[in-house]
Formats: sequence, structure tokens, C-alpha cells
Amino acid sequence: QLQLQESGPGLVKPSETLSLTCTISGGSISSSGHYWGWVRQPPGKGLEWIGNVYYSGSTRYNPSFKSRVSISVDTSKNQFSLNVNSVTAADTAAYFCARRSGSGWYWDNWGQGTLVTVSS
Amino acid sequence: QSALTQPASVSGSPGQSITISCTGTSSDVGSYSLVSWYQQRPGKAPKLMISEVTKRPSGVSDRFSGSKSGNTASLTISGLQAEDEAYYYCSSYAGGDTDVVFGGGTKLTVL
Repeated sequence: QLQLQESGPGLVKPSETLSLTCTISGGSISSSGHYWGWVRQPPGKGLEWIGNVYYSGSTRYNPSFKSRVSISVDTSKNQFSLNVNSVTAADTAAYFCARRSGSGWYWDNWGQGTLVTVSS
Repeated sequence: QSALTQPASVSGSPGQSITISCTGTSSDVGSYSLVSWYQQRPGKAPKLMISEVTKRPSGVSDRFSGSKSGNTASLTISGLQAEDEAYYYCSSYAGGDTDVVFGGGTKLTVL
């Protein structure tokens, strides 16, 4: 059974970098046809796609993040990671890692999510 | 402002049917049969309920069904049960620079 688990600091200071890692168990990040991505949800608000990565390292990002975001993959550790630079209070959110179907464009496996608060 | 428009709330009594709409544009919902629906209970991760407009993943009740007409997709839940009370989000492939767009979410209340 595929499981995803987010890890990283729950508190980040303004202007610093938010870094999260998603560890995959019960499956391989190198599985063909699947992408791995991040979705966030500010408190009391809706879902927002951040970006995704293929095991080859190919990435796609939501343009609204204006180059503040990077996602990388470590196949040896079966992990992928998210970095968000120059964070502000608006980046306070629950961050979910998830697996996306390549052709169907749906997210079929999700991590439990981790709340990241941006505050000094 | 979300890219896809959903009603903020819907409600229904046990046993009834409800429909949640998800309105996009000719660039996303209207152009692709790649709409998915997610159920989210408070404090939990979203759960895939419908993929590719009408497909129901294994383990999802057949009380859940999806459809699409033009730029609007819909999720119908029949035989409402108390356990269906949750937020529901739609999502669509959007092509262009923004691959994925979500709706703002709909709170379903079972009366």
C-alpha cells in the first residue's frame, strides 16, 4: 500500500526558505507514468497546486509562485522535496505531498499534510 | 480567487441526492475530460472520489457519480449519508502554464 509522509519544520521565519520532504513507502518514486507533487491549503481556504516532478527530474510549477519554488527528487531515498523561497505570512498553510496520474491528471495518493506557519 | 467556481455550500437530508457544480472555462473544464473530485474531512488529506469526469476509483461508493456538460462539471451524491458530510473540491487540467486548477471547495451538510 502506497504511503506518503511529509516532514520538515513547522515554523519558518519571514524571508527565509520553507523546505519540506515527502518520503514514499510501499512503492517506488521511479514508477512509470506517475508524477509527484505538492498542494497547499491555507487555513480555512481551498487547495492550491504548487508543482510536480517526474522521477527523471523534470518539473512543472504553478506560475503564481513566480520562481520562488523548486521541487527536486532523490530516487535513492525514494523522496522528493519542496523549497519555497522568501516566504511571507501568506505562505502559512498545510502542505500536502501527493502522487498524480500522468495521463489522467488526478491525485490518487496523498500524504497526511503538514502545517507550516510563517512567523517571526 | 479560484480558477474553478463551486458553490460555497450545499445541503441535503439523508437519503436525498445532491449535485455540486464546478464551472470553468473553455480552456480547462470545457476542453478536457480531465476533471477530478476530492472529498476532504476536517483535518484530513483530500481523498480522490472521481477521476477523468466519470471514473470512480476502487473502494469509492457507487453513490458518487460525475458528469460534464460544456464548461461545467458536476458531482452527484445519491442516497446521502451522514458520513458524506465534508468539503468537496473539483480540479481540472488546464493546459498552458498552469497545469492544474482547483475549485474553491463546497461544504456539504447532511441535515
